[in-house]
Amino acid sequence: SAVISQKPSRDICQRGTSLTIQCQVDSQVTMMFWYRQQPGQSLTLIATANQGSEATYESGFVIDKFPISRPNLTFSTLTVSNMSPEDSSIYLCSATGEGTEAFFGQGTRLTVV
Amino acid sequence: SQQGEEDPQALSIQEGENATMNCSYKTSINNLQWYRQNSGRGLVHLILIRSNEREKHSGRLRVTLDTSKKSSSLLITASRAADTASYFCATAAYSGAGSYQLTFGKGTKLSVIP
Repeated sequence: SAVISQKPSRDICQRGTSLTIQCQVDSQVTMMFWYRQQPGQSLTLIATANQGSEATYESGFVIDKFPISRPNLTFSTLTVSNMSPEDSSIYLCSATGEGTEAFFGQGTRLTVV
Repeated sequence: SQQGEEDPQALSIQEGENATMNCSYKTSINNLQWYRQNSGRGLVHLILIRSNEREKHSGRLRVTLDTSKKSSSLLITASRAADTASYFCATAAYSGAGSYQLTFGKGTKLSVIP
């Protein structure tokens, strides 16, 4: 298993600003992912964070809006850029190791005002 | 894109009763997993069932998988107030280059009344 530390746990931000969310895993993992979860809804995959290369984004998500870094096997960041109230959501970091079982951070609850 | 569809969307039961949640999906899968989420926090993996398995148990959890119907069910027996949470199914499918992608359903919100 893996323990994932995600921070900040919550933030209230002004529209037009950017927020960077950090995700640290306590062991080397194969894959790291970023999800968005609207209140009361399911998880939507934003992108797969690839080590040392550009992230792979899902349909509807673009690098300019959600730049992602993964400089090594245990750390990744997601930036929510030029925020608007529509970006208010929970953002979740996830990782998988040898298998497909996913481990999650505690999430970042973002409110844009 | 969303693949799993859980039903019911919400379920309220008395402590001690059994809770059953269902999940349907649309495409071929490698395995199906169930996760639990408390109050919008991180998800916790509960159980995984492979596509060639039909039933699996873990403590008070029982999962079934019917690949012909593309459906799964999660049974929680002898429920407790602490089981109150949202439960999500997630299908794992091969996405190329040795990696798998999880697609989550919409979830069932379970309330267990003491």
